[in-house]
Amino acid sequence: KNEVEQSPQNLTAQEGEFITINCSYSVGISALHWLQQHPGGGIVSLFMLSSGKKKHGRLIATINIQEKHSSLHITASHPRDSAVYICAVRSYQETSGSRLTFGEGTQLTVNP
Amino acid sequence: GAVVSQHPSWVICKSGTSVKIECRSLDFQATTMFWYRQFPKQSLMLMATSNEGSKATYEQGVEKDKFLINHASLTLSTLTVTSAHPEDSSFYICSARRPDSLEAFFGQGTRLTVV
Repeated sequence: KNEVEQSPQNLTAQEGEFITINCSYSVGISALHWLQQHPGGGIVSLFMLSSGKKKHGRLIATINIQEKHSSLHITASHPRDSAVYICAVRSYQETSGSRLTFGEGTQLTVNP
Repeated sequence: GAVVSQHPSWVICKSGTSVKIECRSLDFQATTMFWYRQFPKQSLMLMATSNEGSKATYEQGVEKDKFLINHASLTLSTLTVTSAHPEDSSFYICSARRPDSLEAFFGQGTRLTVV
């Protein structure tokens, strides 16, 4: 079992729909990141959170530390939101210090 | 926000040659940078942690002599793929974070194709 699991793996939506991507993790963390990777490969950090909820434009990220679960929501989705969304958790390991562990990503396609 | 610049964005090289990839933090000093590798449709896998002024820490299964990492200054880390083989073809991406923050900033990535 991966330390970070995302669902769904693939998601197709119509423009305007409300999108939810889920992330569950099994380790103790200091922070959780939501990242966006476009077809060219570049990665943009959308959110870093350790508790509660954050909002930026049409994007909302929530985290429940007790349940080890986070969600990324996109309101009024648009074709330009099409990308791979990656959940990553930051945890501390004695042998290697602070490190990020990544989920396998969710491929989102928003059709016009 | 902080910017991490990676160069080149893509490179094609012949088998047996070496390729150097640069990762620069443009507006902050990064004592630690991270090098990842990503195969198609797969997640990022940490290859090594680059420490300024000291040896890199490699993940299990990553060949130190094949993937040479140099972090000679607080703003530059380089990854050199030596004696490249077609199986080294992949997407390589670096990241860095400010010393006083947990936030990660990623380079644009380098797509390496070995022919």
